Amino acid sequence: KAGVTQTPRYLIKTRGQQVTLSCSPISGHRSVSWYQQTPGQGLQFLFEYFSETQRNKGNFPGRFSGRQFSNSRSEMNVSTLELGDSALYLCASSLGRVDYEQYFGPGTRLTVT
Amino acid sequence: DQQVKQNSPSLSVQEGRISILNCDYTNSMFDYFLWYKKYPAEGPTFLISISSIKDKNEDGRFTVFLNKSAKHLSLHIVPSQPGDSAVYFCAARRTASKLTFGTGTRLQVTL
Repeated sequence: KAGVTQTPRYLIKTRGQQVTLSCSPISGHRSVSWYQQTPGQGLQFLFEYFSETQRNKGNFPGRFSGRQFSNSRSEMNVSTLELGDSALYLCASSLGRVDYEQYFGPGTRLTVT
Repeated sequence: DQQVKQNSPSLSVQEGRISILNCDYTNSMFDYFLWYKKYPAEGPTFLISISSIKDKNEDGRFTVFLNKSAKHLSLHIVPSQPGDSAVYFCAARRTASKLTFGTGTRLQVTL
C-alpha cells in the first residue's frame, strides 16, 4: 500500500506570494491533518479534515487555509507569505475519527525569501 | 502554552545500552499518547502508543511507560542501536481532538 505523498517536496517563494501544497493520504484513510515544523518548535498543528469537513483547527492566522476533496486528498494554502512561514509542512493521514495513529508524508520544505 | 514538553533537546547513549526519553504533559484530559521517530528529510514514523488506561506498553525493543499521577511518560529503547539515532517526538491527544506534539529529543547512539 502506498504511503502518504506530498507535492511538491521543495518550494521557494517570495514574500507576499501565495502557495498551495498537496497531500494524498494512504488509500482508505479519511482523515488528513497538517502540521508546521520549525526548528525548536516541534510540530505545530494547523488543521484536520475528515470527510471533507474541518474537524479541528490550530492557532494559526487566517492566511493558512485548507480543504479536503471527496477522494480524501487535501490541499493547504498560505496567502501573503511571510519570512516566518519558512518551514517543513507535514501532512498525516489516519483511518478515521477513532484512529489515533497518524501516518506522515515526507513533507514539503517551503522557503520564503 | 506548551502542553507536551520534552525537556531534553538531546541525548547521547552508547550502543547496547538503554535509551530513556522523557515527556511531560499538563492536560489531564489527554487519554492517548504516542511516540514518533523522525529521520532528516523524512516525515515522522509512528513508533508506539499507550492508552491512559494502561501504564506500560511493550513492542520489541521499545517500551512506553505512563505515570498518570505525575503526568509523565517515557520511552525506553533496549538495547540501543546506531539506527535508532533520530529525533523522537512524544504526542498526546484526547478523544476526537488534535494531536499535540512535544518539541522533540535528538537521540545519538554512539558506537
